[in-house]
Amino acid sequence: AQSVTQPDIHITVSEGASLELRCNYSYGATPYLFWYVQSPGQGLQLLLKYFSGDTLVQGIKGFEAEFKRSQSSFNLRKPSVHWSDAAEYFCAVGSNTGGFKTIFGAGTRLFVKA
Amino acid sequence: DTGVSQDPRHKITKRGQNVTFRCDPISEHNRLYWYRQTLGQGPEFLTYFQNEAQLEKSRLLSDRFSAERPKGSFSTLEIQRTEQGDSAMYLCASSSGGPFSSDTQYFGPGTRLTVL
Repeated sequence: AQSVTQPDIHITVSEGASLELRCNYSYGATPYLFWYVQSPGQGLQLLLKYFSGDTLVQGIKGFEAEFKRSQSSFNLRKPSVHWSDAAEYFCAVGSNTGGFKTIFGAGTRLFVKA
Repeated sequence: DTGVSQDPRHKITKRGQNVTFRCDPISEHNRLYWYRQTLGQGPEFLTYFQNEAQLEKSRLLSDRFSAERPKGSFSTLEIQRTEQGDSAMYLCASSSGGPFSSDTQYFGPGTRLTVL
């Protein structure tokens, strides 16, 4: 069965510091992988997605993620965090076998300190 | 393009009552999804429509839950005989369709349900 693990429930980084959010997935075939961000009172917004090809994916707001098949990981990175990046981040895996379904991780809440 | 809208944004009800939520997708999006999100968790897939056809339902969707998309546009999610465990945020998303590899889901702001 497909699953997504985000090992860190919350992370605190200083503004201007680099960020890496971890994500591990379990899926039998080549997965579709996503990172979403959810700010308080806002809907989920897609940051980036991976389907195939280049394993380093660029997204919006300066985020990138790297797909590593050998480690079943899809970690999200940003070189310099801004206070406005404070939010909840969700990694997700999708499949189109037997219908279109997206499985989300439990999320990592990012706190940014001045 | 006004985005995905959901109504109401908040609903408080007593246990045993029925509730209905509405989702208006982005116009011309032919796929529509419902998810449930409880505190501290990621969204959980409930069901998915391709136009008016409900193509998949999660085992989370008990027989007290029913979803419709009668004309392939807006959708409703009804919960009958609500239980306290139904308290959650109910999210709707839509996408334009086509190959899943190029399909992006756009989420609405959600309906927060509280069952007393």
